[in-house]
This record gives sequence, C-alpha cells and structure tokens, in this order.
Amino acid sequence: EVKLVESGGAVVKPGGSLRLACEASEFMFDDYTMHWVRQPPGKGLEWVALISWDGSTVHSIDSVRGRFTISRDNSKNSLYLQMNDLKSEDTALYYCAKGRARQSYGSIDSWGQGTMVGVFS
Amino acid sequence: DIQMTQSLPSLSASMGDNVIITCRASRNIANYLNWYLQRPGKAPKLLIYGASSLEAGVPSRFRGSGSGTDFALTISSLEPGDFGTYFCQQSYSVPYIFGQGTKLEV
Repeated sequence: EVKLVESGGAVVKPGGSLRLACEASEFMFDDYTMHWVRQPPGKGLEWVALISWDGSTVHSIDSVRGRFTISRDNSKNSLYLQMNDLKSEDTALYYCAKGRARQSYGSIDSWGQGTMVGVFS
Repeated sequence: DIQMTQSLPSLSASMGDNVIITCRASRNIANYLNWYLQRPGKAPKLLIYGASSLEAGVPSRFRGSGSGTDFALTISSLEPGDFGTYFCQQSYSVPYIFGQGTKLEV
C-alpha cells in the first residue's frame, strides 16, 4: 500500500520560511508525478503545485509562484516544498499526493495525512 | 485558469437514497474530470477519474458521467460511509483546480 508521510509543518510569523517534506514508500517513486494540495481550516481543497516524475517539469498556482518551490530527490524517495515569504493566507493543512498514472499528469490517487502550517503574527 | 463550480454546497439524503452531485467547468475540459470523497478528519479519496472510470476498490454504486463542461457523480443506494464532502477536480490544464465541494449529509 502506498505510504506518504509529511513533515515540517509549524507555526511561523508572516514573512517566515518553512520546508515541508514528504517521504514516500511502497511504490516506484521516480515513475510518478507528485503534488502538494492544501486545505485551509474548514475550507475546500486547493491544488498548489506538481513536479513530474523526473523533476524536469514543475507547475504551481499564481498565488505561490516566486515564493514556494517544489522539488524532489528520487534517490531518497522524497518530495519537498520550500515555502518563503509566508502569508496568513498560506495557513492550511498541506497534503503530499501521488499522481495516479505512471509518467503522466492528471488525477491523484494517494494522499498523506497532511502537515499543518500556521502563519500568524 | 479553468474554474470548477459545484452549485450545491450541501445535500441532505438518507441511507438507501440515490443522489446526483454536479460539477461544471468554465470551459471544455473533455473528460479530464476527477471526483474525490473526503470524510471528516481524513484525507480525500479518489473515486472516479477520466469523468467515468471507477478507481480500483470503489464500489460500482458510484458512477461518473459527462464530458466537455458538465459532469455528474451518481451514487446509488447510499451507505453510511458515503457521507462526507465530494470534490470535483479538472486535470485538463494546470492549475488543477478543485470545485468548492458538496457536503453530503444525513
């Protein structure tokens, strides 16, 4: 069974930085696109970013571009999200998620349990 | 960006009922539409991908339909585990925006 374990969430002040990590296991990590999806408390899901299986392609939403960087280390089966210049609106539960199909984009078939990021002054 | 609209924020139903949850895209997304169920306090779970393909392990009581801009998720004979919030998501083009969700309540 696919396992995704996020870490790195914390409470920080506006303008601060965090690095989220996701350790993956029980599947061929370097064959799958990976995503970060967030969910503010009591609200819906917001797709944040993706990185292709080989790390050559990344995409993110406008509101985080230039502040957040998605990356991966296939030798460590790990996904990362470097978050800089954090704003209050970034407060959310951040999920690491796996694309469904090998070496392609599209739906997400597995999710971690999430790591909480709080941005408060 | 392609916007996704789930016009019903919530829906009340009873065990055994059949329900339909709808989702509309702001422009043509062919069949690049996915449905997820999120139970309270849990991570989302993929139910349907490609508008109508059933994810492995998901009961056949769940059926996805539609193409282009209008989509529906039909759930037959509601069971206790079916209650929660349903989200649609387009995967036609980035950003892969989710609908606002439809909360299915008893």
